[in-house]
Amino acid sequence: QVQLVQSGAEVKKPGSSVKVSCKASGGTFSSYAISWVRQAPGQGLEWMGRIIPILGIANYAQKFQGRVTITADKSTSTAYMELSSLRSEDTAVYYCARDRSGSYPYFDYWGQGTLVTVSS
Amino acid sequence: SYVLTQPPSVSVAPGKTARITCGGNNIGSKSVHWYQQKPGQAPVLVIYYDSDRPSGIPERFSGSNSGNTATLTISRVEAGDEADYYCQVWDSSSDVVFGGGTKLTVL
Repeated sequence: QVQLVQSGAEVKKPGSSVKVSCKASGGTFSSYAISWVRQAPGQGLEWMGRIIPILGIANYAQKFQGRVTITADKSTSTAYMELSSLRSEDTAVYYCARDRSGSYPYFDYWGQGTLVTVSS
Repeated sequence: SYVLTQPPSVSVAPGKTARITCGGNNIGSKSVHWYQQKPGQAPVLVIYYDSDRPSGIPERFSGSNSGNTATLTISRVEAGDEADYYCQVWDSSSDVVFGGGTKLTVL
């Protein structure tokens, strides 16, 4: 059974950065992509980007280009999402999800979510 | 960018059938995936590739997709089905796109 376990909640100041981790177990980490999806309070789901660990290649939603960096460490089966220049609108729960990338990607396993609060 | 439109809310009595729509330009040419999200929990995949169910998802959940509308159908609705539901597609210009979500209320 695939499990994705994320790091704990964070409180950050505006202008700073946050790095959230997502450790995978129960599957072959490098065989799939990992995507990051966020959800602001009371709002819907928003895709941020993905990484394909076996290739080390990441791609990002246009909205987050230049502000988000997604990386992966194959040796520890862990993916990371770093978001910089934080503002209050970035307050959200951030999820990692196994991305069944192909012609029509979907997400079959999700992490438990990490609440990031941006406040002065 | 590609836009998916869902009704904000749908209400249904227990035992009845709920239908949640997801509208998009020629969405019938894409594969649609659906997620269920209960309060305080991560989303759960309930339908992929328009109508396939992951293991563990009841047969009461089904999906269809044609023209400009995809539909998630929940038969014999139970109280435990009350949740937010999101449709999702991949688009060549936008990559992953989610609908705005539909809150299903079981009366």
